[in-house]
Amino acid sequence: EILLAQSPGTLSLSPGERATLSCRASQSVSSNYLAWYQQKPGQTPRLLIYGASSRATGIPDRFSGSGSGTDFTLTINRLEPEDFAVYYCQQYATSPAVTFGQGTRLEIK
Amino acid sequence: QLQLQLSGPGLVKPSETLSLTCTVSGDSFSSYNYYWGWIRQPPGKGLEWIGSIYHTGSTYYDPSLKSRVTISVDTSKSQFSLNLTSVTAADTAVYYCARHPTGRLTGTVDFWGQGTLVTVSS
Repeated sequence: EILLAQSPGTLSLSPGERATLSCRASQSVSSNYLAWYQQKPGQTPRLLIYGASSRATGIPDRFSGSGSGTDFTLTINRLEPEDFAVYYCQQYATSPAVTFGQGTRLEIK
Repeated sequence: QLQLQLSGPGLVKPSETLSLTCTVSGDSFSSYNYYWGWIRQPPGKGLEWIGSIYHTGSTYYDPSLKSRVTISVDTSKSQFSLNLTSVTAADTAVYYCARHPTGRLTGTVDFWGQGTLVTVSS
């Protein structure tokens, strides 16, 4: 089973700043099958990034993903008020069995 | 418009069986472009994959839950169901049914049902 560790647990930033969220896997994620989701309070998660760096349909270009192997990053440029949420990484290299990270809470400073 | 309608009790007693059903409408349940899954989220915690099923009936379960989980499908009703036996307080969570695409995005979730809180308590 591939375990995912996200850091930091909570990130406090102001609108307009850049957010950098990390996801580290316990073993290499083949084919960079790593996705990122955003979850706002009371809502279901939304797919942002797949394949480590490809944006899902309708996702603004201020969201970008990078990384390979065991280290992956989600970067959000020029934070908007609606970007403050919880972000999860997910590996799907072993699908149908998949695993999620524990989440990073992005909060307004 | 795709809808995943989740039904089932919101309260289950310890040691009993949690049973939920997800009804799919507005899409082809038996399409080979998708398969279906269950994911849960304990209060204040992260997402946990429980298991998935294809419309053909092939199932896959999280190893830590495998001994207690059964996922089944009824294609005539466009439904898939979750049974989790011998529940404890640790099984208290919001339970989601979800759609997984096949192909290059297989394993991701492109549509979530609204989720239902299931509390395990006497």
